[in-house]
Amino acid sequence: TQLLEQSPQFLSIQEGENLTVYCNSSSVFSSLQWYRQEPGEGPVLLVTVVTGGEVKKLKRLTFQFGDARKDSSLHITAAQPGDTGLYLCAGSMGGGTYKYIFGTGTRLKVLA
Amino acid sequence: DSGVTQTPKHLITATGQRVTLRCSPRSGDLSVYWYQQSLDQGLQFLIHYYNGEERAKGNILERFSAQQFPDLHSELNLSSLELGDSALYFCASRTGVDTGELFFGEGSRLTVL
Repeated sequence: TQLLEQSPQFLSIQEGENLTVYCNSSSVFSSLQWYRQEPGEGPVLLVTVVTGGEVKKLKRLTFQFGDARKDSSLHITAAQPGDTGLYLCAGSMGGGTYKYIFGTGTRLKVLA
Repeated sequence: DSGVTQTPKHLITATGQRVTLRCSPRSGDLSVYWYQQSLDQGLQFLIHYYNGEERAKGNILERFSAQQFPDLHSELNLSSLELGDSALYFCASRTGVDTGELFFGEGSRLTVL
């Protein structure tokens, strides 16, 4: 059972376009992180959100944690070819479960 | 360089065989996580160790087992291999038991023929 569903699964856009990736769950997460993975490498952390409703910005990337801490979104403004990669949300359910699960992934391709 | 080392990087073996994947976490990190990634999909959580003790199990098959040694390195043992076990296996480490950034190794690509 995949507890973190991401949408869309695939996204191919032109350079300069905006996009939003969603990460949804029916479970509450104590914190949520976004990672980006490039081919042949392990995922690398982009951001951590902890508080419901929290918004964080990283240059052209804006991350939001849902008020109920069950969902999150990643918005990219004016996408560039360097943004191409696999975007993964990941969450810790807390409460002593010690499981750290990843979403289904969104593969983004930005065309020049 | 994340500081997490995984060996081997590539492994080709036959069905029915057994392999061991090794992970050395970042210096000072007590938590080690193992994940399986198939065909550029998301990562499936397998197991989590903290300071030598198993803390959580995910979708890990009974044919698979893992352990974390006193020096904090970890091994993932895969036995009675099947074609469907072909995947990238990632190890990640972090300092705390349930918080903080995960640092990933480059993965071990297993091909079962």
